[in-house]
Amino acid sequence: DTAVSQTPKYLVTQMGNDKSIKCEQNLGHDTMYWYKQDSKKFLKIMFSYNNKELIINETVPNRFSPKSPDKAHLNLHINSLELGDSAVYFCASSRRTPHPSLHFGNGTRLTVT
Amino acid sequence: GQSLEQPSEVTAVEGAIVQINCTYQTSGFYGLSWYQQHDGGAPTFLSYNGLDGLEETGRFSSFLSRSDSYGYLLLQELQMKDSASYFCAVQRDDKIIFGKGTRLHILP
Repeated sequence: DTAVSQTPKYLVTQMGNDKSIKCEQNLGHDTMYWYKQDSKKFLKIMFSYNNKELIINETVPNRFSPKSPDKAHLNLHINSLELGDSAVYFCASSRRTPHPSLHFGNGTRLTVT
Repeated sequence: GQSLEQPSEVTAVEGAIVQINCTYQTSGFYGLSWYQQHDGGAPTFLSYNGLDGLEETGRFSSFLSRSDSYGYLLLQELQMKDSASYFCAVQRDDKIIFGKGTRLHILP
């Protein structure tokens, strides 16, 4: 029944490693997003996909690469992890009409040591 | 660019009414949303204002004035479970941009 599910919930890794976070939504929404929430709880948009096509890339380092195999999935791969990447990453989905209301996954807490 | 301003913290008493304000500066503005986030949880959608005026959903109401680039979230009959962070967010083109959040503390 989970609307937006992302895995893993926790991710602890060392600097320099590569990791992936997976996200799936069963709401039939066309648009999916990745947001990063830092320790000060600031929610910053990273990427947005609409029907598998990238529509927003918010000056995110090239080490971050989203992939959308279909409109129900949006995965995030991160290369060469850095300490500053430690944050909670939220996947979200929305439909565009009548207005976009984001449905968030439960988040992935990434800790880079 | 765009910016949203909201108070970092607000404290209120259980049973009371509290208003959380949000001012924004952005081009291509479509609407203002509000989200609630409990500690350790995910943000959840509360309300959306695309037109000027008041939208009411149970104990929560949200207001928008496009001419003033201003909105607020009004929470009535506060309950302890309302202790959370509240984010205003603007819809700009295909983006939803969040403010820095207001931490609401509720005293018994």
